[in-house]
Amino acid sequence: DAGITQSPRHKVTETGTPVTLRCHQTENHRYMYWYRQDPGHGLRLIHYSYGVKDTDKGEVSDGYSVSRSKTEDFLLTLESATSSQTSVYFCAISESDGRAGEQFFGPGTRLTVL
Amino acid sequence: AQSVTQLDSHVSVSEGTPVLLRCNYSSSYSPSLFWYVQHPNKGLQLLLKYTSAATLVKGINGFEAEFKKSETSFHLTKPSAHMSDAAEYFCVVTTYNNNDMRFGAGTRLTVKP
Repeated sequence: DAGITQSPRHKVTETGTPVTLRCHQTENHRYMYWYRQDPGHGLRLIHYSYGVKDTDKGEVSDGYSVSRSKTEDFLLTLESATSSQTSVYFCAISESDGRAGEQFFGPGTRLTVL
Repeated sequence: AQSVTQLDSHVSVSEGTPVLLRCNYSSSYSPSLFWYVQHPNKGLQLLLKYTSAATLVKGINGFEAEFKKSETSFHLTKPSAHMSDAAEYFCVVTTYNNNDMRFGAGTRLTVKP
């Protein structure tokens, strides 16, 4: 299995509180991604990174920010969590870009916003 | 922008019978197409990918898919289903130099004994 860990694995929080999810990789891959998975929608890209300090928005970026200060870590922050952000969040990594690059996925973080 | 439609949200087959999971895509440019599998409470695993080489692509665990440009389809097949194939399957499209991978809504495969 690709060396990807996500923390925490489960989190329950209240509306309006800040939340940070961490993705850590040991593969030294250049690209890292954050997705959310909701029933009926598959996975939707939130943000991705193509290098340290280089990030870009995905399909559903509103309400989320990211940071990548080291190759191995990619943080996803919900500045003020809302109930609509209750979801399962997956981190993924890839060695090359989307056209040819297989993405390897972490185990997921289940976030519940009450 | 590219998009994917998985034509069946749920497919049920008997063990030992063929599997067909259907996927149609839309893309303004030459696409790359992938099938991923997700077992319950697990992350996603790549089954196979098409990146403009051979149109018939073989993947892991006996799965294969055929890219048909004229039909804008990339259906996933397996000759004989196994109980361990029960999972959710996602068709994914992206394009050249594009990190925005678009996932279909998923097809849940049930395999009956």
